[in-house]
Amino acid sequence: GAGVSQSPRYKVAKRGQDVALRCDPISGHVSLFWYQQALGQGPEFLTYFQNEAQLDKSGLPSDRFFAERPEGSVSTLKIQRTQQEDSAVYLCASSLRTSGMGTGELFFGEGSRLTVL
Amino acid sequence: AQTVTQSQPEMSVQEAETVTLSCTYDTSESNYYLFWYKQPPSRQMILVIRQEAYKQQNATENRFSVNFQKAAKSFSLKISDSQLGDTAMYFCAFMKRLNAGGTSYGKLTFGQGTILTVHP
Repeated sequence: GAGVSQSPRYKVAKRGQDVALRCDPISGHVSLFWYQQALGQGPEFLTYFQNEAQLDKSGLPSDRFFAERPEGSVSTLKIQRTQQEDSAVYLCASSLRTSGMGTGELFFGEGSRLTVL
Repeated sequence: AQTVTQSQPEMSVQEAETVTLSCTYDTSESNYYLFWYKQPPSRQMILVIRQEAYKQQNATENRFSVNFQKAAKSFSLKISDSQLGDTAMYFCAFMKRLNAGGTSYGKLTFGQGTILTVHP
């Protein structure tokens, strides 16, 4: 596709349910990032993939959060046993290269808004 | 760890006028990049302008320019000739360089954001 695609755009879950959020990066992009954005706040880093390898997961808030990118393209962020504090917009971003990122060539999707009741 | 602070939760400006958004950051790194991103209500984050910390010259992109003060760790964004389409949330962001070669895998630290409203 032309841009980073995320689905679903909106997800309402009952507390305790598991959810899966999908990110389809720009074709050929090597790097993929997940960010969490609480209402009225700036995005916070969750995890980073280089192709299929998860090289940094330091931002994942708990072991209920799990991300994968098995074939180096589409990525899924899974949240188990959702809690109200998980309510946020989850942004995915991709980049063509693994280096030279100082050019700021991150392309963001429109995000998935998760509401946990 | 790096921190980015945007002290103006909201700003407003009249169409065609100039507005400046403030950003300060704290880091012990000497090599890094700074960015301003725009997030309209549609939520898609768009890069507005970037600055490499080793460059003393302030970056400019059409109506957008920055005032980068490395010693003061300040990085403000000036929008000239404001347009209605500039209405959005603006985020200042920091990215450190991992080595002297300038590589960085792209992990950004964002500020809290400033909501900018341009009035007709």
